Amino acid sequence: GDSVTQMEGPVTLSEEAFLTINCTYTATGYPSLFWYVQYPGEGLQLLLKATKADDKGSNKGFEATYRKETTSFHLEKGSVQVSDSAVYFCALSLNSGGSNYKLTFGKGTLLTVNP
Amino acid sequence: NAGVTQTPKFRVLKTGQSMTLLCAQDMNHEYMYWYRQDPGMGLRLIHYSVGEGTTAKGEVPDGYNVSRLKKQNFLLGLESAAPSQTSVYFCASSPQGYSNQPQHFGDGTRLSIL
Repeated sequence: GDSVTQMEGPVTLSEEAFLTINCTYTATGYPSLFWYVQYPGEGLQLLLKATKADDKGSNKGFEATYRKETTSFHLEKGSVQVSDSAVYFCALSLNSGGSNYKLTFGKGTLLTVNP
Repeated sequence: NAGVTQTPKFRVLKTGQSMTLLCAQDMNHEYMYWYRQDPGMGLRLIHYSVGEGTTAKGEVPDGYNVSRLKKQNFLLGLESAAPSQTSVYFCASSPQGYSNQPQHFGDGTRLSIL
């Protein structure tokens, strides 16, 4: 079945460090790919998305490129801030028959950024 | 600009008690979803609805029931709560059934079953 594997955390960085969170997927077909972010005590928010191969999603300094050849969608940011501390979820969406589609999540990666 | 609103935000139940979690969205979305979030497990889909009056089972539906009597509301029921249902529950909605449409989430309901 469809699945998403992301690097296990927790990840602890100092402010202004470079961030990479790896995400790979397995899917039958051509999924759309998403990164969601969950700040403490809140629900998930869409961070960025890419809907076809070689698309780059970007938002708030974060970027991820849809790599079909390596089935990956790694999240990167050049200089993290304390306010980026959160749990990050990689997810894929694929049509599951008819007009329905299903969102499959990775297990999440906790990022802590220290001043 | 409410988006997706979940009530209650916190609840403690005793084993065997019943309760209903309410999700309301004001974006006129067709699709609605209930997930549970457990440590190290990510989010798992419990039930979903593709429109008013419809419901369908997700990945982990046992022990839960749902109803979608109105387009804007999606209710999740626990008939006889069990400690294994201690979790954070999230409701989400999306405008239609295309894979490139992101889901919009509520802030969650933290449920503890003693």
